[in-house]
Amino acid sequence: AQSVSQHNHHVILSEAASLELGCNYSYGGTVNLFWYVQYPGQHLQLLLKYFSGDPLVKGIKGFEAEFIKSKFSFNLRKPSVQWSDTAEYFCAVNQGYGGATNKLIFGTGTLLAVQP
Amino acid sequence: GAGVSQSPSNKVTEKGKDVELRCDPISGHTALYWYRQSLGQGLEFLIYFQGNSAPDKSGLPSDRFSAERTGGSVSTLTIQRTQQEDSAVYLCASSLVLAGGNSPLHFGNGTRLTVT
Repeated sequence: AQSVSQHNHHVILSEAASLELGCNYSYGGTVNLFWYVQYPGQHLQLLLKYFSGDPLVKGIKGFEAEFIKSKFSFNLRKPSVQWSDTAEYFCAVNQGYGGATNKLIFGTGTLLAVQP
Repeated sequence: GAGVSQSPSNKVTEKGKDVELRCDPISGHTALYWYRQSLGQGLEFLIYFQGNSAPDKSGLPSDRFSAERTGGSVSTLTIQRTQQEDSAVYLCASSLVLAGGNSPLHFGNGTRLTVT
């Protein structure tokens, strides 16, 4: 069965600090990988996704993530965080092309607090 | 356009009562998901509907939980004989179904269920 691990449950950073949130998944086949974000009081929304091609994907608001197949990882990065990045971040995975299902499995989330 | 709509937005019920939560997906989205979001638990997969296929019920935590999707559109999640541990935010999401499985999910604002 697929599973997703996010090792950092709560991260506190000062503005302009660099961010890296870890995400590892377990599934041996082709995968699609996603990062979703939930800002305070808002619904979950897509930040970025990887499904094929360049393993370094760029999303909204200056975020990027790198898919490293050999490490089963899809870490999220941002060079310089802002107070407005305060939110909860979720990594998610589903089976890629040819998979039997589109079911999306989420990690437990990382709560990021950026201090001004 | 209209997003995913969930009702009610808040529900307080007494232990032992049954509750029904409703989800109106985005028109044309053939995939529909239910997740449960609890503090420290992330997004827990409950059930997934894809077109006319049999739903994936593998995430339902007990036989007190059931869901249906009528006419390929509106879905209802029913919890019978509610328990205090059922208290959580119940999220619905919908998406297109693409061969590669990389269509993003669109989430509703959720129903916050409190069992007293």
